[in-house]
Amino acid sequence: RKEVEQDPGPFNVPEGATVAFNCTYSNSASQSFFWYRQDCRKEPKLLMSVYSSGNEDGRFTAQLNRASQYISLLIRDSKLSDSATYLCVEDNYGQNFVFGPGTRLSVLP
Amino acid sequence: NAGVMQNPRHLVRRRGQEARLRCSPMKGHSHVYWYRQLPEEGLKFMVYLQKENIIDESGMPKERFSAEFPKEGPSILRIQQVVRGDSAAYFCASSLYASGGNRDEQYFGPGTRLTVT
Repeated sequence: RKEVEQDPGPFNVPEGATVAFNCTYSNSASQSFFWYRQDCRKEPKLLMSVYSSGNEDGRFTAQLNRASQYISLLIRDSKLSDSATYLCVEDNYGQNFVFGPGTRLSVLP
Repeated sequence: NAGVMQNPRHLVRRRGQEARLRCSPMKGHSHVYWYRQLPEEGLKFMVYLQKENIIDESGMPKERFSAEFPKEGPSILRIQQVVRGDSAAYFCASSLYASGGNRDEQYFGPGTRLTVT
């Protein structure tokens, strides 16, 4: 099974900062990707789907670079409530989801 | 529309006992996935099921673990003769469409935390 790699962090940023995470994948045939967030001891919650070049939802922007096989997540004007672990997910075409180990974000007051 | 439901939320078993974890997918979803998350680790895929069919069990340990998704009722993940290393959070997810296409987002249940003493 192919791997998804993420910087585990932690990323410690002040409120209002802009922060970006990258995630690399290895299966060039994969078509869709996702970002999930997971709070401590809770289930992962879907944050964004990334099917083509990118997606934007409010303060969150995800981009897909197929040539370099990475996706990114940008969070603008970060809030305390954004503190969580962000999971990058590759839909390994026909072979189900492969989760990255997660990047931990702490937004500090 | 109720989300993915799992029960029990917490389960304590002694070594050698059996653990049964249940998952009811979101209404209208026919694709169910089980994942295991060890403490301080990422989620690991275990098995993908549709009604009455196991589609992909490549992540399931070869022994003691089994899963089913009957025509009626919830999906069941069964662990026989549990050992301490089975202690983990077990998450179930469901999707409307099969993996590999658009709109195949998976939605997760709250998980079952299994503790083996």
